[in-house]
Amino acid sequence: AQTVTQSQPEMSVQEAETVTLSCTYDTSESDYYLFWYKQPPSRQMILVIRQEAYKQQNATENRFSVNFQKAAKSFSLKISDSQLGDAAMYFCAYRSANTGTASKLTFGTGTRLQVTL
Amino acid sequence: EAQVTQNPRYLITVTGKKLTVTCSQNMNHEYMSWYRQDPGLGLRQIYYSMNVEVTDKGDVPEGYKVSRKEKRNFPLILESPSPNQTSLYFCASSFLVRGTGELFFGEGSRLTVL
Repeated sequence: AQTVTQSQPEMSVQEAETVTLSCTYDTSESDYYLFWYKQPPSRQMILVIRQEAYKQQNATENRFSVNFQKAAKSFSLKISDSQLGDAAMYFCAYRSANTGTASKLTFGTGTRLQVTL
Repeated sequence: EAQVTQNPRYLITVTGKKLTVTCSQNMNHEYMSWYRQDPGLGLRQIYYSMNVEVTDKGDVPEGYKVSRKEKRNFPLILESPSPNQTSLYFCASSFLVRGTGELFFGEGSRLTVL
């Protein structure tokens, strides 16, 4: 079974600075997706960024980028120029790309990000 | 607007009183699933459905039931709720054969069982 580990329960960053959230995963599959979801106080689950395992290029979405290391099974999220609105719980998640085994998104336990002035 | 809609958003009930949380999606997704979120545990899958009339257990199915009679709806049923089912519940959906694997989430249902 796949597992996802987020080893940082809480992180703090100053406004305008850069922060990196860590995520490692374990799988025997070669074709899969990785995601970072953001959960603000409103509780809504918002997709931040997505990475397909077959792509070597790291995904970027504006101030958000990932460092995807497939061999090391690592998928960290970098937030540049942090803003107050980035304060939230961040979840790393894994999903198989094979239809037969894509039965769920496996989540890490989350990292709560605090943004200070 | 593409969305997953859950109801109710908030519910306080008592032990043993049957309740249903509804979930509906308008994106023609084959796959639907229920998750519960508890502090320190992340989101854990309760049940999922790969298509109409096809459902299966997730990681924490005890005390829950589901049905998938129509493609757009996937209700979660608590036949006899207990306090350990107090949690934040999310319904989610996605394409299976096409798409990017992304799950689309409802806004969550906060359930308290007294």
